[in-house]
Amino acid sequence: GAVVSQHPSWVICKSGTSVKIECRSLDFQATTMFWYRQFPKQSLMLMATSNEGSKATYEQGVEKDKFLINHASLTLSTLTVTSAHPEDSSFYICSAVWVGSYNEQFFGPGTRLTVL
Amino acid sequence: EDKVVQSPLSLVVHEGDTVTLNCSYEVTNFRSLLWYKQEKKAPTFLFMLTSSGIEKKSGRLSSILDKKELFSILNITATQTGDSAVYLCAVVPPRGSGAGSYQLTFGKGTKLSVIP
Repeated sequence: GAVVSQHPSWVICKSGTSVKIECRSLDFQATTMFWYRQFPKQSLMLMATSNEGSKATYEQGVEKDKFLINHASLTLSTLTVTSAHPEDSSFYICSAVWVGSYNEQFFGPGTRLTVL
Repeated sequence: EDKVVQSPLSLVVHEGDTVTLNCSYEVTNFRSLLWYKQEKKAPTFLFMLTSSGIEKKSGRLSSILDKKELFSILNITATQTGDSAVYLCAVVPPRGSGAGSYQLTFGKGTKLSVIP
């Protein structure tokens, strides 16, 4: 159990376009999900906390108008990178908190975004 | 200033060697410390350490937490090429921190390369 999926796995887009990344908890409900960003050879950096039914909480330095997060259901959170630029190219990973497993976080497989 | 510091940053060993990875932290009030292994995609969970001095073991991997000295180590014995990965440690905030109760603070990781 406790599987988290992300879609797409890899996306290449042109500068200025918007990209939506989905994070789904497949076999459990997650009121809280997290979005991380990882640049090459660096660790995971938390971008925002996504709470079902309420606004996301963004970490310092993360533009909320650029990285739109929607957590419309207990199994789905989406991250939309608006007007993407090459510097947004990164590996985006989500995680979902499963209350039934001592609040352990389960990570999705990640989405690699390349902006040309 | 980093709250979770891992060392070394990178390590190259031969198959069969034993390695010790270090994680020191400045956070004094936390619920648990987690170790993850990250290969090409998302991190996979290794250990959760809550109590000081109690070793957790899984096959050739073991880990222990020292809350007094504020560090944890991850040991890998008889390393194999499949152990090559980035190993991340993260601390979990205490309960009652609201939505922040689930946020992980990651170290930058130790990149382990095991050569035949």
